[in-house]
Amino acid sequence: EVQLVESGGGVVRPGGSLRLSCAASGFTFDDYGMSWVRQAPGKGLEWVSGINWNGGSTGYADSVKGRFTISRDNAKNSLYLQMNSLRAEDTALYYCARPDSGSYYYYMDVWGKGTTVTVSS
Amino acid sequence: QSALTQPASVSGSPGQSITISCTGTSSDVGGYNYVSWYQQHPGKAPKLMIYDVSNRPSGVSNRFSGSKSGNTASLTISGLQAEDEADYYCSSYTSSSTPYVFGTGTKVTVL
Repeated sequence: EVQLVESGGGVVRPGGSLRLSCAASGFTFDDYGMSWVRQAPGKGLEWVSGINWNGGSTGYADSVKGRFTISRDNAKNSLYLQMNSLRAEDTALYYCARPDSGSYYYYMDVWGKGTTVTVSS
Repeated sequence: QSALTQPASVSGSPGQSITISCTGTSSDVGGYNYVSWYQQHPGKAPKLMIYDVSNRPSGVSNRFSGSKSGNTASLTISGLQAEDEADYYCSSYTSSSTPYVFGTGTKVTVL
């Protein structure tokens, strides 16, 4: 079964850091790009970041550029999102998603259930 | 990069057809055939319904169809059913600094 499982969410103070992880299974991980998508409480979807199949190309939303870093470990079938200088507006449910391509800027056909990040003092 | 523009809500009676619009620019919707649509039920992860403007993934009902004209894409749900009540989001590749963007979302209500 194709599956994505996020972890690492929690409560953090403004200015703090958090590292999200996404464990992939049921497919050949290094054939695909990967993305992070977030959804603030009661709000819509926002694409956050993506990485291509070998980690050689990455992209970020303007809202997180310079603060978040995406990476992957193909040997561990894992995706990561390092989040620094967190702000209240980063509070959201963070989804790991698989684009149906080796690139990351493509439609996403597999989604995890998400991990919640709350930034609050 | 601003979100693509969708109507906040659309409603219809069972059996009817409804259409959700998604308006962007020539840098996203109008410039590429990379529009996709997602359905999201409350408390659930999004589900891919349409990709590359008009293609349906395996397992998605043929009551769902997509199209595009200029800078506006559309999702049509025909034979509306109670289970179609959900939020729907369009998305597209963009040539802007943020390479992928979602729409503002549309709540579909089955009357």
